[in-house]
Amino acid sequence: DVKVTQSSRYLVKRTGEKVFLECVQDMDHENMFWYRQDPGLGLRLIYFSYDVKMKEKGDIPEGYSVSREKKERFSLILESASTNQTSMYLCASSSPGRAEAFFGQGTRLTVV
Amino acid sequence: GESVGLHLPTLSVQEGDNSIINCAYSNSASDYFIWYKQESGKGPQFIIDIRSNMDKRQGQRVTVLLNKTVKHLSLQIAATQPGDSAVYFCADSDPYGGATNKLIFGTGTLLAVQP
Repeated sequence: DVKVTQSSRYLVKRTGEKVFLECVQDMDHENMFWYRQDPGLGLRLIYFSYDVKMKEKGDIPEGYSVSREKKERFSLILESASTNQTSMYLCASSSPGRAEAFFGQGTRLTVV
Repeated sequence: GESVGLHLPTLSVQEGDNSIINCAYSNSASDYFIWYKQESGKGPQFIIDIRSNMDKRQGQRVTVLLNKTVKHLSLQIAATQPGDSAVYFCADSDPYGGATNKLIFGTGTLLAVQP
C-alpha cells in the first residue's frame, strides 16, 4: 500500500520559532509537494520538487523554504513562524508523467 | 493565473439519492482532471480522473463528465451513502516541463448525506 507519512499530526509553535515539517514517501516518487489548506481557500501549493536537491516555488512560497536531500524526504521550513501560518499542511508525492498525487494525513500547525 | 472553482460550497443530499458536484476551470490548456475525496481528519484521496480527450469516465458508483466547451466538469455519485460524506475537490493538472504535473485545486464542496 502506498504511503506518504507526515511526522506530526498536530503542532503548536510560538511566533518567531523556526519550524520543520517532515514528509517521507515510500513509493520512490520523483515529485513531492507541500500544500496548505485553509477553509474556503482549498489547497494552495507552497513548494514542489521534481528531483533531489531541486525545488520550485508554488503559488504561496513567502515565509517558507524547503529541503530535499534524499528522494524519499521533503521538508517544509517556516523560517520564523507567524500566526497567519496557522493552517493544515499537506504533503504529496507523484510519479513523473502522472498527475495523480498521493497525500499524507496532514499536519495541523497552530502558531501562537 | 488559472483557477479551478466550485459552484456550491455545500451540498446536502438524502441517503440513496444521486449527488452531483460541479467544478469550473479556466485554463483551456488543462489536459487532465482529478477528483479527490477528503474525509475529516484525513488527507485527500484519489477518486477518479479524466483526460481532456474524453467526455465521460465511469468508476464504481462515480461518473465524471467533462464539458470542454464551457470548461466544466462534474462528479456524479450514484446511490449516495453516509460514507460518502466528505469534502470533494476537483484538481487541474498544470504540466510543468511535462514531468511534474503539479495539481491546482479548487476550493472544495462539502457533501453532507442525510439519513
